[in-house]
Amino acid sequence: ENVLTQSPATLSLSAGERATLSCRASQSVGTSLAWYQQKPGQAPRLLIYDASNRATGIPARFTGGGSGTDFTLTISSLEAEDVAVYFCQQRNNLWTFGQGTKVELK
Amino acid sequence: EVQLLESGGGLVQPGEPLRLSCAASGFTFSSYAMSWVRQAPGKGLEWVSSIGGYGSDTYYAESVKGRVTISRDNSKNMLYLQMNRLRAEDTGVYYCANLITPGHSMYFHHWGQGTLVSVSS
Repeated sequence: ENVLTQSPATLSLSAGERATLSCRASQSVGTSLAWYQQKPGQAPRLLIYDASNRATGIPARFTGGGSGTDFTLTISSLEAEDVAVYFCQQRNNLWTFGQGTKVELK
Repeated sequence: EVQLLESGGGLVQPGEPLRLSCAASGFTFSSYAMSWVRQAPGKGLEWVSSIGGYGSDTYYAESVKGRVTISRDNSKNMLYLQMNRLRAEDTGVYYCANLITPGHSMYFHHWGQGTLVSVSS
């Protein structure tokens, strides 16, 4: 099983600050990686696919990067509506998710 | 508008079976692979199972293999998850989702709101 490890577990920032979330895979996934946003009480929403492509309707402040085993999701200027848990997910060998990073406002 | 509506969740005792259903609308159901993803209370997401558009290809997570069967009825736009020998660790919200290939890999696109399965004596 390809294990995805996300860090940090919680990110506490002020509005307008830059948020950088990390996802590390135990085996290379190439660029077969996605990021999802889950707000409290809601289903997840696809943000980024193939490591760096924004899904339809996703604001430009969300940027994905990386390849192989190391990936990042960057929110360039944090807004209140971005408070959520963010999960990475690989699709190189079946599907697995990371454990999530909670983004909160300071 | 794409809609996925899960049903069939509830409280069951360990060892009992349960069948989840997902009613799909707003897209050409048979053209999409479908999946079940679960989330234990306060925990992260766990992929459970996926099925190809015509039902011939099925995939299972190791944690449920041998106890769970995914199936679909394209004539009714329905997705199912038959779960047997349920365990306490199967407790959680079960989401159905369709899979898309926007680039070179498959990802979970539209999600239902989930149905809660509680396994407890």
